[in-house]
Amino acid sequence: GENVEQHPSTLSVQEGDSAVIKCTYSDSASNYFPWYKQELGKGPQLIIDIRSNVGEKKDQRIAVTLNKTAKHFSLHITETQPEDSAVYFCAATGTYKYIFGTGTRLKVLA
Amino acid sequence: DAGVIQSPRHEVTEMGQEVTLRCKPISGHDYLFWYRQTMMRGLELLIYFNNNVPIDDSGMPEDRFSAKMPNASFSTLKIQPSEPRDSAVYFCASSLGGFTDTQYFGPGTRLTVL
Repeated sequence: GENVEQHPSTLSVQEGDSAVIKCTYSDSASNYFPWYKQELGKGPQLIIDIRSNVGEKKDQRIAVTLNKTAKHFSLHITETQPEDSAVYFCAATGTYKYIFGTGTRLKVLA
Repeated sequence: DAGVIQSPRHEVTEMGQEVTLRCKPISGHDYLFWYRQTMMRGLELLIYFNNNVPIDDSGMPEDRFSAKMPNASFSTLKIQPSEPRDSAVYFCASSLGGFTDTQYFGPGTRLTVL
């Protein structure tokens, strides 16, 4: 069936360093790829998204890249700060379905 | 707008009891989604509605689960009877354009079934 693989499951970085999270999807019909940040005790919140007709999108310290041929997309966070510590989920739209990755717990060490 | 509102935030009940979770989507959003989140299975889509009509309930685990959306501003997820394995965080989300649009999540209901 359709699935989204996300790596790594945990990631620790020093404050100021960059963090990269990668996802691979299986459904070639997927055309929308959002990234969500979930803080403890809260629901996931969209931080950035990209559509299939775009290869890269940037919003301040956050960027997402998409490689449709390889069916993978990545989240890049530069100049990480302690408040970036959270669980990050990627997602891909399958056929009539929104499939989430398994999540990456990011810890930014001060 | 206040965002997606869910109640209660926490629910503790005993096995066999009926549980009702409530959701108020963002005004104007035509799609409403119910998710369940557990450590083992991550985020699972249970059911979604478009214009108050259930479109896909294939994620509902068992007949013990049911969901309704009597109007555009209110939805319920009911579990009857509840079992310990139903313990999870249940999220409601809404969006304007379905699966190709941003989903806005509520704060979730943490359900514990003893």
